[in-house]
Amino acid sequence: GDSVTQMEGPVTLSEEAFLTINCTYTATGYPSLFWYVQYPGEGLQLLLKATKADDKGSNKGFEATYRKETTSFHLEKGSVQVSDSAVYFCALRPLYPYNQGGKLIFGQGTELSVKP
Amino acid sequence: GAVVSQHPSRVICKSGTSVKIECRSLDFQATTMFWYRQFPKQSLMLMATSNEGSKATYEQGVEKDKFLINHASLTLSTLTVTSAHPEDSSFYICSASRPTATGPSSYNEQFFGPGTRLTVL
Repeated sequence: GDSVTQMEGPVTLSEEAFLTINCTYTATGYPSLFWYVQYPGEGLQLLLKATKADDKGSNKGFEATYRKETTSFHLEKGSVQVSDSAVYFCALRPLYPYNQGGKLIFGQGTELSVKP
Repeated sequence: GAVVSQHPSRVICKSGTSVKIECRSLDFQATTMFWYRQFPKQSLMLMATSNEGSKATYEQGVEKDKFLINHASLTLSTLTVTSAHPEDSSFYICSASRPTATGPSSYNEQFFGPGTRLTVL
């Protein structure tokens, strides 16, 4: 079945460091791919998404490129801030079967801690 | 727009009692809502998919008689944890789905509620 695998955390970085969180997936066809962020005690917020191969999603300095050949959607940010400390989830929305109402499959999450 | 609320945000109950959690889409109509369970430092586990006016579709391993889901209107879905036990303590998150402005209906986007922390004593 479809699945998402993320690099294990926690990831601890100093402010202004470069961030990469790896995400790979297994799916039939061309799923849509997402990154969600969860701040402590809160629900999930959509960070960025890509719906087809070679698309680049970007938001708030974060970006990720949909790589069909490597089945990856790695999250990157050039310079992290303390306020970026959160848990990041990679997710896919299966293409098949249709009309699932947007069902999402999540990776296990990666906790990011940014120190001043 | 696309705000989803949950109520209550936090609930503590005694073992054996039932707890109802509400999920509302505040500014859009959601034909589909999802219920997730999240354990500490773990991912979201989809429990069930709820479609307005029909029975919920439960994921494998989720007890439908224990986790009752009702989706009575296009803006409200409820999850009732019946005869709760300490092992049911968790963070429950709902999401509501709506079609994007363009594209086929399969490109529904999910909007998440803030979650409900359930503690069963």
